[in-house]
Amino acid sequence: AQSVTQLDSHVSVSEGTPVLLRCNYSSSYSPSLFWYVQHPNKGLQLLLKYTSAATLVKGINGFEAEFKKSETSFHLTKPSAHMSDAAEYFCVVSDTDMRFGAGTRLTVKP
Amino acid sequence: NAGVTQTPKFRILKIGQSMTLQCAQDMNHNYMYWYRQDPGMGLKLIYYSVGAGITDKGEVPNGYNVSRSTTEDFPLRLELAAPSQTSVYFCASSYQGDYNEQFFGPGTRLTVL
Repeated sequence: AQSVTQLDSHVSVSEGTPVLLRCNYSSSYSPSLFWYVQHPNKGLQLLLKYTSAATLVKGINGFEAEFKKSETSFHLTKPSAHMSDAAEYFCVVSDTDMRFGAGTRLTVKP
Repeated sequence: NAGVTQTPKFRILKIGQSMTLQCAQDMNHNYMYWYRQDPGMGLKLIYYSVGAGITDKGEVPNGYNVSRSTTEDFPLRLELAAPSQTSVYFCASSYQGDYNEQFFGPGTRLTVL
């Protein structure tokens, strides 16, 4: 069975500085990997997904993630944080079914 | 398109009461899902459906039931509410299965006292 671990429950950055949200996964197959964002009191929205094509995946709002099979990682990055990026972020792994990480809360300071 | 809609948005139940959480989608998606979200726990899959008339258990199905009589609707039933079912419930749908994007509803916040 697959699993996913988000290494930080909370990340705080200043506006305009880079964002790094870390995700490690385990899977017996070749998984698909997703990042979703959840703003307060809202449902989840897809940021980006990896499905065995290019290992560097570009998503919405300037986010991207790199699939590293040797490290079993799928970290989410953004060069410059914006106040509107403050939200909860979920890494998801999917092979036989979908498993969600526990989430990382991103705080952006002015 | 309205996407995925859920009703109600909030509900308070007493222990032992029953209720149905409604979910509908207008995207003609075959797959539909119910999740619960507890603080610090991510989302856990309760039940899912791959098409009308077909449902299957997810990771945490105990205490819940579902039905899928139409492509559009996927209600979640709680028969005997317990405090452990206090959570935020999300319905989602996708065109196909696990390799495709899931579209989420806004959620139902349920409290059982």
